[in-house]
Amino acid sequence: DAEITQSPRHKITETGRQVTLACHQTWNHNNMFWYRQDLGHGLRLIHYSYGVQDTNKGEVSDGYSVSRSNTEDLPLTLESAASSQTSVYFCASSESRQWSEKLFFGSGTQLSVL
Amino acid sequence: SQKIEQNSEALNIQEGKTATLTCNYTNYSPAYLQWYRQDPGRGPVFLLLIRENEKEKRKERLKVTFDTTLKQSLFHITASQPADSATYLCAFIGGNNRKLIWGLGTSLAVNP
Repeated sequence: DAEITQSPRHKITETGRQVTLACHQTWNHNNMFWYRQDLGHGLRLIHYSYGVQDTNKGEVSDGYSVSRSNTEDLPLTLESAASSQTSVYFCASSESRQWSEKLFFGSGTQLSVL
Repeated sequence: SQKIEQNSEALNIQEGKTATLTCNYTNYSPAYLQWYRQDPGRGPVFLLLIRENEKEKRKERLKVTFDTTLKQSLFHITASQPADSATYLCAFIGGNNRKLIWGLGTSLAVNP
């Protein structure tokens, strides 16, 4: 069965370090997204991509970057981790470019920045 | 700006009863509204999508309504089961950038 996997499931890092969270999907979807989920906030969009070599900023993109070199992967990089980036990160994909399209989510990465 | 609100208090119901969850929004009506289920430690899972011109949508024991006058969507689970216990999120497209806006979710506990 097709799926979307994230790794690692849990990560502890120190302030100032560079961290990369992996996201791999076998749905063959062109569209991929990164969200963060925090208490008191709904899911917030960090970055998204409509296809290979395409990346776009979401509402909370500062301090994060993504790259899309193939259809399956959209790694999320925290250039210099900050305590404010402690959160649960979810990767998602969708079949079409319509924002009404349903999303398929990974199981998330719990990131703690100390 | 467009906002979305879900009941912040957890909903506790008895097995077999109907659970009703609420999603309210402000300003203009979204063209689409989605409902997701999220279990602890897992990502959201898509359940239903309802369009602006649809009053009601059903899938097995699930029913979603969309009232553009009240600016509200209701999510019903009939004959609820303990396995339905989870957090339920609503989301819609809002704002000029046409991105999904997410509610905080409502926690549902179905007691045996």
